[in-house]
Amino acid sequence: GENVEQHPSTLSVQEGDSAVIKCTYSDSASNYFPWYKQELGKGPQLIIDIRSNVGEKKDQRIAVTLNKTAKHFSLHITETQPEDSAVYFCAASSPYDMRFGAGTRLTVKP
Amino acid sequence: DAGVIQSPRHEVTEMGQEVTLRCKPISGHNSLFWYRQTMMRGLELLIYFNNNVPIDDSGMPEDRFSAKMPNASFSTLKIQPSEPRDSAVYFCASSPGWAYGYTFGSGTRLTVV
Repeated sequence: GENVEQHPSTLSVQEGDSAVIKCTYSDSASNYFPWYKQELGKGPQLIIDIRSNVGEKKDQRIAVTLNKTAKHFSLHITETQPEDSAVYFCAASSPYDMRFGAGTRLTVKP
Repeated sequence: DAGVIQSPRHEVTEMGQEVTLRCKPISGHNSLFWYRQTMMRGLELLIYFNNNVPIDDSGMPEDRFSAKMPNASFSTLKIQPSEPRDSAVYFCASSPGWAYGYTFGSGTRLTVV
């Protein structure tokens, strides 16, 4: 089955700086890669996703890149703001098997 | 749409008691998932339904856990008997299918004492 590793486990940045979270996956059949943001006391919320036929996708301050050859994908947040502080999860989906990374706790210091 | 609705938000029960968690998925979503979240194990998939039919329950930890989806708008996760190690946050999520983003509910925080 799929195995997803996520790094770093914690990340602290200054407001306005960029943040990068990286994930690797093991199953070459994985073709869908969503990212979720989880705030305290809430369920994870989908913030961006990418499919295997695309190398990069951007939505305002967030972007995701995918390298299928190397089996890794990354989340980039630019111009971070205190409200970006949360736990971020990557996931990789092969048919009938969606696996989540262990999460990254991002803290944006004002 | 009100999103995925879970109840109760918090549940405290004594060891050995039966616990039932409830979920109402988003209308039109034909896939429903139950997850458990703990600090030690992260997000674990317990069971997946497609069109109300259980497809994969390999994540259900033991026979003490059971899940049903009697119709497209309702699912339950039952633990009987409950044990302290079942303490966790249980999430229900729904989606239009596998390779689509999930919408998670707010979760049920279960504490078994």
